[in-house]
Amino acid sequence: DVVLTQSPATLSVTPGERISLSCRASESVDTYLHWYQQKPNESPRLLIKYASQSISGIPSRFSGSGSGTDFTLSINGVELEDLSIYYCQQGNSLPYTFGAGTKLELK
Amino acid sequence: QVQLKESGPGPVQPSETLSLTCTVSGFSLTSYGVNWVRQPPGKGLEWMGRMRYNGDTSYNSALKSRLSISRDTSKNQVFLKMNSLQTDDTGTYYCTRGLIRGYFDYWGQGVMVTVSS
Repeated sequence: DVVLTQSPATLSVTPGERISLSCRASESVDTYLHWYQQKPNESPRLLIKYASQSISGIPSRFSGSGSGTDFTLSINGVELEDLSIYYCQQGNSLPYTFGAGTKLELK
Repeated sequence: QVQLKESGPGPVQPSETLSLTCTVSGFSLTSYGVNWVRQPPGKGLEWMGRMRYNGDTSYNSALKSRLSISRDTSKNQVFLKMNSLQTDDTGTYYCTRGLIRGYFDYWGQGVMVTVSS
């Protein structure tokens, strides 16, 4: 199974700053890496597909990059509503797997 | 609009079988796949398995011996059955619409399953 390692586990942020979250795969997943946001007591929401493709209705401050084994989710100008847990997920091979998540908290 | 909704039994006893239903609307099960993902309380997400648009199924090997996914296209429903439940099967179970190369664009609200005696 492909193991996805997300870092950091927790990130303390100040509104307005630009941040980057990392996701590393134990083997190449090409660009079949997707990002989700999960707020407390809510279902996950798709943010980015295929490493860098935007999703309709998602604010433009969210962007993704990477291929192979190293991926980044960036938020350009964090807002309070972005305080959530972010998960990466690979769709290159079965079983699909998720990272353990990065939690954004207020500094 | 696209919607998925899970329904299930609530509390389940250890060693019993879990039966969940995902009822979908706004899309056809013969055009899109449906996946099941679960989340223990306070923990991360685990992909359980999927029903593809063509009726094929795939399962997480960690659960394969206990898990079965089926569907009724006439009722727009996908079913999950998992036997021999244990307390660590407690969590929220989601059904999601799956797209090419495994991304999940729509999620149900989730159903909480508690395994307890």
